[in-house]
Amino acid sequence: QQQVKQSPQSLIVQKGGISIINCAYENTAFDYFPWYQQFPGKGPALLIAIRPDVSEKKEGRFTISFNKSAKQFSLHIMDSQPGDSATYFCAVVPTGNAGNMLTFGGGTRLMVKP
Amino acid sequence: DTEVTQTPKHLVMGMTNKKSLKCEQHMGHRAMYWYKQKAKKPPELMFVYSYEKLSINESVPSRFSPECPNSSLLNLHLHALQPEDSALYLCASSQVGGGLYEQYFGPGTRLTVT
Repeated sequence: QQQVKQSPQSLIVQKGGISIINCAYENTAFDYFPWYQQFPGKGPALLIAIRPDVSEKKEGRFTISFNKSAKQFSLHIMDSQPGDSATYFCAVVPTGNAGNMLTFGGGTRLMVKP
Repeated sequence: DTEVTQTPKHLVMGMTNKKSLKCEQHMGHRAMYWYKQKAKKPPELMFVYSYEKLSINESVPSRFSPECPNSSLLNLHLHALQPEDSALYLCASSQVGGGLYEQYFGPGTRLTVT
């Protein structure tokens, strides 16, 4: 039962371009929407996160856009750099979840070409 | 300091061996997690400890046995594993409650079962 659908599965962007990764969820009762970045052989690292009472959050070159009515949220990477090449996972945390259980999307492998 | 450490980094074990994975955090987090990640897939939750008590077991086979000796340490005892158990095993930690959902992951242990 997939609660979070992530697209695309892979993405190739030229250096300096904008990378856009999308996630759609199937349940309205989520409290927290993080994005994780994972390099090969490493653990996922929290990149940026948003709560449902906010429509957009920006941290440096990374922006989350959140559309509650459409049950979608997306990650935008501005001025993409080769060092951004990694796998990106969106995730959701259900409302009232004291265990902070993350449900991950399927992941997007991003390659930024120099 | 947002560091979660895991040892060993790599582990090769036979199907009859007994081994343990270790995880440590000093962020004062009271929730700790074990995840399993296969190649090109998102992390899958295995166990959650909250205040040193096992709160979630995602129907994991008994050949995986978690242990939380104190609030900073988390172990995963392995016995009679199968080759399909080969994966990256990730530990994570977070606060409990208070709307603080950020989970911090360790670098993982790459396990190979021969």
